[in-house]
Amino acid sequence: EDQVTQSPEALRLQEGESSSLNCSYTVSGLRGLFWYRQDPGKGPEFLFTLYSAGEEKEKERLKATLTKKESFLHITAPKPEDSATYLCAVQTTNAGGTSYGKLTFGQGTILTVHP
Amino acid sequence: DTGVSQDPRHKITKRGQNVTFRCDPISEHNRLYWYRQTLGQGPEFLTYFQNEAQLEKSRLLSDRFSAERPKGSFSTLEIQRTEQGDSAMYLCASSLGAGEQFFGPGTRLTVL
Repeated sequence: EDQVTQSPEALRLQEGESSSLNCSYTVSGLRGLFWYRQDPGKGPEFLFTLYSAGEEKEKERLKATLTKKESFLHITAPKPEDSATYLCAVQTTNAGGTSYGKLTFGQGTILTVHP
Repeated sequence: DTGVSQDPRHKITKRGQNVTFRCDPISEHNRLYWYRQTLGQGPEFLTYFQNEAQLEKSRLLSDRFSAERPKGSFSTLEIQRTEQGDSAMYLCASSLGAGEQFFGPGTRLTVL
């Protein structure tokens, strides 16, 4: 069974204090790993997709990286508006390489950035 | 540009009642997904459609839950005989093929 574990569960930073969020996964075959941001009471907002080990994607203060077992979301010099829950999810393939459509999510990391 | 929309945004119902939610995907997207999210957890997959065909359904999904996408556009999710454990945020997402899934704002269900 596919498993996704995120750590830490919660992270409190001071504005400007860089850090990383971790997403570990165990799957039979990975098609893609997705990062989302979710604000309270809203639906997840798409950030990045990573498809292969060694791949990196950047957007403003965020950079996502992928290895064969985990992904990191690096936050550089965060601002209070970066406060949110960050979710990672995997989309997998079967033995024949056909993609399953569904995403399997981790439980999320709640990030709070203090001014 | 219109994203994924969901209606209603909030629903309060009494235990045992039936409820129906609607999702309108991004217009050019052929796949539509339903997820459920409870407090402190990530979204949990329920079912998905490619055009009008329901391709996968979670094994955890009770037979009280049914979803349709009759013309390959909007979708409805019905929960019959609601229970307090059904209280959650119900999220809809759409995608073009197996690409990135874009989520709607969700419908928050409270079962009293």
